[in-house]
Amino acid sequence: DVKVTQSSRYLVKRTGEKVFLECVQDMDHENMFWYRQDPGLGLRLIYFSYDVKMKEKGDIPEGYSVSREKKERFSLILESASTNQTSMYLCASSLFGGYAYEQYFGPGTRLTVT
Amino acid sequence: SQKIEQNSEALNIQEGKTATLTCNYTNYSPAYLQWYRQDPGRGPVFLLLIRENEKEKRKERLKVTFDTTLKQSLFHITASQPADSATYLCALDTRPSSGATNKLIFGTGTLLAVQP
Repeated sequence: DVKVTQSSRYLVKRTGEKVFLECVQDMDHENMFWYRQDPGLGLRLIYFSYDVKMKEKGDIPEGYSVSREKKERFSLILESASTNQTSMYLCASSLFGGYAYEQYFGPGTRLTVT
Repeated sequence: SQKIEQNSEALNIQEGKTATLTCNYTNYSPAYLQWYRQDPGRGPVFLLLIRENEKEKRKERLKVTFDTTLKQSLFHITASQPADSATYLCALDTRPSSGATNKLIFGTGTLLAVQP
């Protein structure tokens, strides 16, 4: 069965802390994505990666960075957490290609920055 | 700019009726459209994909239509059940100019509540 896991379901951090969110998929998918989801704004793409060590900015990359050292793992890094980064963070993966393959999502990490 | 609209108001229907959710888009021409279901506190789950050259797609009690002239997709759940209560998201591909990764743009979703 297809599986995307995220390191934490709930996380509370202080302003200015460096935060790491980890995502692992077991489907050998090339593409991995990080989104944040906020009420009324829907899912917004932060970064995505189509191969190991490759990354591209999404629609809202400011304040975030990513790392993909292995195919199955994609990390989202908040360099200096701020209160406006309080949100639900969702990781997803999909097969690579021009075809819009469906995305498989993890359970999400609800991050609160105080 | 590209824009996707889903009815932000919750849709309340009676068990056994057909639920119809709408997804409208402007300012671009997606090649594919996808529908996802999201339960509270969980990640979205893929339901159906329809291509631009397909008018209709079905899967069990689900049906999706895609009208590229109207720039609209309709998502139907027939014989609805309380277990169908969730938020339903539509997502459109962004048709990259190269063969690179095809990103999706998601609507904000419509909450469906099926009353027993």
